[in-house]
Amino acid sequence: DAKTTQPPSMDCAEGRAANLPCNHSTISGNEYVYWYRQIHSQGPQYIIHGLKNNETNEMASLIITEDRKSSTLILPHATLRDTAVYYCIVRVVFINTGTASKLTFGTGTRLQVTL
Amino acid sequence: NAGVTQTPKFQVLKTGQSMTLQCAQDMNHEYMSWYRQDPGMGLRLIHYSVGAGITDQGEVPNGYNVSRSTTEDFPLRLLSAAPSQTSVYFCASSKPGTGANTEAFFGQGTRLTVV
Repeated sequence: DAKTTQPPSMDCAEGRAANLPCNHSTISGNEYVYWYRQIHSQGPQYIIHGLKNNETNEMASLIITEDRKSSTLILPHATLRDTAVYYCIVRVVFINTGTASKLTFGTGTRLQVTL
Repeated sequence: NAGVTQTPKFQVLKTGQSMTLQCAQDMNHEYMSWYRQDPGMGLRLIHYSVGAGITDQGEVPNGYNVSRSTTEDFPLRLLSAAPSQTSVYFCASSKPGTGANTEAFFGQGTRLTVV
């Protein structure tokens, strides 16, 4: 799986958009970009994933550059409850081959949302 | 919805002892995995399974055994506990594929201390 690079920490004021960058310059054509977050010491929570098109769900938006070498997770209106470590993961997903979809976690970005 | 349930939540072992960490999911997911997380680090894959009767090693398998006799359960066995195995252990499950509803769900973790 391709390696990702994220800033170790970021701050964001409550109510503002939080933009979390991720560099994955060695990504290959069959690798997806996934985002998870881990609040305090809980189990990681899935946020969103995409291949090459921008994606949006009720939690966040994912913007992937045209060359797919980087992406940005956007939390449109950050709240104190969004304070967490955010992991950007790039992985190959094999369909119908019996190969597990394994997640390779880096150290992530620690997002601190403040009043 | 129970999701992924891990037991116990906390455990203290003496060096050399063996024990089994339990993981159960009620979502009929084919894929299940075990990760460990050391302080300040991301999660690292120990073992994974693509279905009942099929398991494989992840990044850090030494000192651990797994089996998958049913779809629901994926226990992790520590054969002879060592202080280096002090960590937080997370179990995850998912469906295969890349579309919607294929994200990994994580349990709340088992905090293991080996003295």
